[in-house]
Amino acid sequence: QLQLQDSGPRLVRPSETLSLTCSVSGGSVSSRTHYWGWVRQPPGKGLEWIGSVYYSGSTNYNPSLKRRVTMSVDTSKSHFSLMLGSVTAEDTAVYFCARLRYITGYFDQWGQGTLVTVSS
Amino acid sequence: EVVMTQSPATLSVSPGERATLSCRASQSVSSNLAWYQYRPGQAPRLLISDTSARATGVPARFSGSGSGTEFTLTISSLQSEDFAVYYCQQYNNWPVTFGGGTKVEIK
Repeated sequence: QLQLQDSGPRLVRPSETLSLTCSVSGGSVSSRTHYWGWVRQPPGKGLEWIGSVYYSGSTNYNPSLKRRVTMSVDTSKSHFSLMLGSVTAEDTAVYFCARLRYITGYFDQWGQGTLVTVSS
Repeated sequence: EVVMTQSPATLSVSPGERATLSCRASQSVSSNLAWYQYRPGQAPRLLISDTSARATGVPARFSGSGSGTEFTLTISSLQSEDFAVYYCQQYNNWPVTFGGGTKVEIK
């Protein structure tokens, strides 16, 4: 069964870059039928899609975050990554990595999520 | 972007009772709507895609209906493991967007 496990610093300083990696096991990050994506949930708020990346490296970002987001996939290491630059306290959230069905856009598998706090 | 609105925010239900959750889209999303179950500390779980297609392993007591801008998730007889937060998501337009969630709690 597919498992997604994220890793990365849980505390990031304002104006710096948040970096997370999601390791994929029990399935292939080279799947032609899925995207790999990130969703976040700030405390007390709803879910927000950040962006998605295909095995080929093509990306699709939420326009609200596009200016600060970079996503990539490493098929040799079976993981994909998120970088969010120039963070502020508003970027404090639980970050989930997830798998999306190709073409459609719903998430069929999720990681447990990790709280990333932006604070000095 | 498409704004998704869920109601009610909290639903108090007794075990064995029926729960009806609503999701409204600010514009038509056709049938491109999914429902997820979330228990804090766990991975969210896909319940339903394409408005009414249950995901693998999802019990038959979960059903989805609707089209266009109005959608419903029904849990026919609540079990203890069903008390959680439920989110709808539209994927008809990018960016995909989620509703604010409905918390189903024990009455």
